[in-house]
Amino acid sequence: QKEVEQNSGPLSVPEGAIASLNCTYSDRGSQSFFWYRQYSGKSPELIMFIYSNGDKEDGRFTAQLNKASQYVSLLIRDSQPSDSATYLCAVNKWGGGSEKLVFGKGTKLTVNP
Amino acid sequence: KAGVTQTPRYLIKTRGQQVTLSCSPISGHRSVSWYQQTPGQGLQFLFEYFSETQRNKGNFPGRFSGRQFSNSRSEMNVSTLELGDSALYLCASINSAREQFFGPGTRLTVL
Repeated sequence: QKEVEQNSGPLSVPEGAIASLNCTYSDRGSQSFFWYRQYSGKSPELIMFIYSNGDKEDGRFTAQLNKASQYVSLLIRDSQPSDSATYLCAVNKWGGGSEKLVFGKGTKLTVNP
Repeated sequence: KAGVTQTPRYLIKTRGQQVTLSCSPISGHRSVSWYQQTPGQGLQFLFEYFSETQRNKGNFPGRFSGRQFSNSRSEMNVSTLELGDSALYLCASINSAREQFFGPGTRLTVL
């Protein structure tokens, strides 16, 4: 099982719809979860982080975490064409007394006008 | 507040050469991590530095090395370049909450 798994997509939604991006992780000890957005040819940009079970909302974005199911998701409400990008899920992983971020390969989202 | 800067932005090298990439983190951030991004493998962790000490290391060969200076600036070095080292190399500046903020990256092409 991969450490962090995401559907590669592409995920295509119409403008104004809700886009739902999903991520599963293998390490039950993970405590921190991040969502990054990466536009083509650009570097990843942090958009949300979540540490506790439940939902966390920030503007049009909602992150959802379920540690029992080892599942984290990102909802984008009222999707805009400018949201078209690859979304990367990242999970912290402890080992050897230190931690690192492990990234999924990303889900490519296209929002159609 | 200035963001993360990386130099150079683009680099073309030939097999067997070595390369040094530089990263200046956000002012006040003492941790820096490095990643390699390729279409096939995605973002892969190289190493993290904190206060001039390597804190963690990913699964890369010894040809990949790094260091951090007292002003938190970091460099990574790749020796004996191989074609497969062609990638986008990203540096991330890490704050006390362990949030990572990426620089623009260095695009390395090995011919």
